[in-house]
Amino acid sequence: SYVLTQPPSVSVAPGETARITCGGDNIANKHVHWYQQKPGQAPVVAIFYDYDRPSGIPERFSGSKFGSTATLTISRVEAGDEAAYHCQVWDKTSAQVVFGGGTKLTVL
Amino acid sequence: QVQLHESGPGLVKPSETLSLMCTVSGYSISAGLCWGWIRQPPGKGLQWLGTMCHTGTSYYSPSLKSRLSISLDTSKNSFSLSLTSVTAADTAIYYCATETTSGGKLGDFAYWGQGALVTVSS
Repeated sequence: SYVLTQPPSVSVAPGETARITCGGDNIANKHVHWYQQKPGQAPVVAIFYDYDRPSGIPERFSGSKFGSTATLTISRVEAGDEAAYHCQVWDKTSAQVVFGGGTKLTVL
Repeated sequence: QVQLHESGPGLVKPSETLSLMCTVSGYSISAGLCWGWIRQPPGKGLQWLGTMCHTGTSYYSPSLKSRLSISLDTSKNSFSLSLTSVTAADTAIYYCATETTSGGKLGDFAYWGQGALVTVSS
């Protein structure tokens, strides 16, 4: 079955740029969605269809893809960005939704 | 604004059936979109369980397909999850969510319920 690989944790200082990766075979041909999940809350879409940002999500959040990796970039990180971030795709071959294992972003 | 709310027992005995309902407001489930269930074991990541679209087309996680059923109830504007023969490994927060669809592909989960903790224990 299809697998998405994320680093368990990423740490950055306030004001710096955080990059959270999501690796998967042929990910360039899939749409990648990113979710932000704060403790005790349901996930919220941060980026959908690779690059689009829902209303209410700051412009500091952006998505990109290159090769076998998709990346969520958070510029000028703030304390309020501390959360778990999950990537997700639809794998047409197996007809299933797949989530990455999630990455805990810590703001130092 | 679409809102979803999960309801059901918070405690289920091993080998029994876990049943949850998701009540939708602000959108008619028969009008479009797809309707999914995702769970999150304590301290772990998200696991997709399955999705049913307003057309009746359903998709299930291969690892749970033999135990899982999702149904829509348009009269109650809700959808339900049934997971049979549960074990402690099924203990998790269960979320219902809307899922977009385009060109036969499932998309992102745009709206989520607040989640319901279900514990499997005797």
